[in-house]
Amino acid sequence: DIQMTQSPSSLSASVGDRVTITCQASEDISKYLNWYQQKPGKAPKLLIYDASNLATGVPSRFSGSGYGTDFTFTISSLQPEDIATYYCQQYDDLLLIAFGQGTRLDIK
Amino acid sequence: QLQLQESGPGLVKPSETLSLTCSVSGGSVSSSSSYWGWVRQPPGKGLEWIGSVHYSGSTYYNPSLKSRVTVSADTSSNQFSLKLSSVTAADTAVYYCARTAYYFRVVIIGFEFWGQGSLVTVSS
Repeated sequence: DIQMTQSPSSLSASVGDRVTITCQASEDISKYLNWYQQKPGKAPKLLIYDASNLATGVPSRFSGSGYGTDFTFTISSLQPEDIATYYCQQYDDLLLIAFGQGTRLDIK
Repeated sequence: QLQLQESGPGLVKPSETLSLTCSVSGGSVSSSSSYWGWVRQPPGKGLEWIGSVHYSGSTYYNPSLKSRVTVSADTSSNQFSLKLSSVTAADTAVYYCARTAYYFRVVIIGFEFWGQGSLVTVSS
């Protein structure tokens, strides 16, 4: 099974800061990496699909990059409404899915 | 707009089978460009994929749960379902049903549409 290592597990930042979260796969997963935002008591929301593509309606301050085993999720200018937990999620050729452990983001 | 709604018992006894149904509106379970899945989240913890189904009958399961899980689709009722057998307290979680994304004629194995979630507690 492919293992995902997401870091950091928690992060504090100020409004306007650039925020970066990383996700590392235990083996090459090509571009098959998605990112989600989850707010308390709510279902996750797909933000980025296939490593770098913005899902419909997602603000452009969110972005993703990477290929193979190393991936990065970035918020270019943190807004108060971005406070949430963020998850990476990979899938493979067998359509098996695994989520990262999550990164809890709050305001400093 | 696609909507998904989970339904089923909120309390299940240990060793019994957890059964949930996801009702789909605004879309069709028979869509060839969709995979329908279940994701769970224990209280205060992260997300765990359980399994997915395509209307064709193809199923995909988390290897760690595969021996206890059945996911199926019912095109006549436009629903899909989850059965998890031999449950323990560790299966207590919010269970979400979800549908994969579809962009530029390509199925993305990421969940873009979600139900609101259903809390299932395993306790005697």
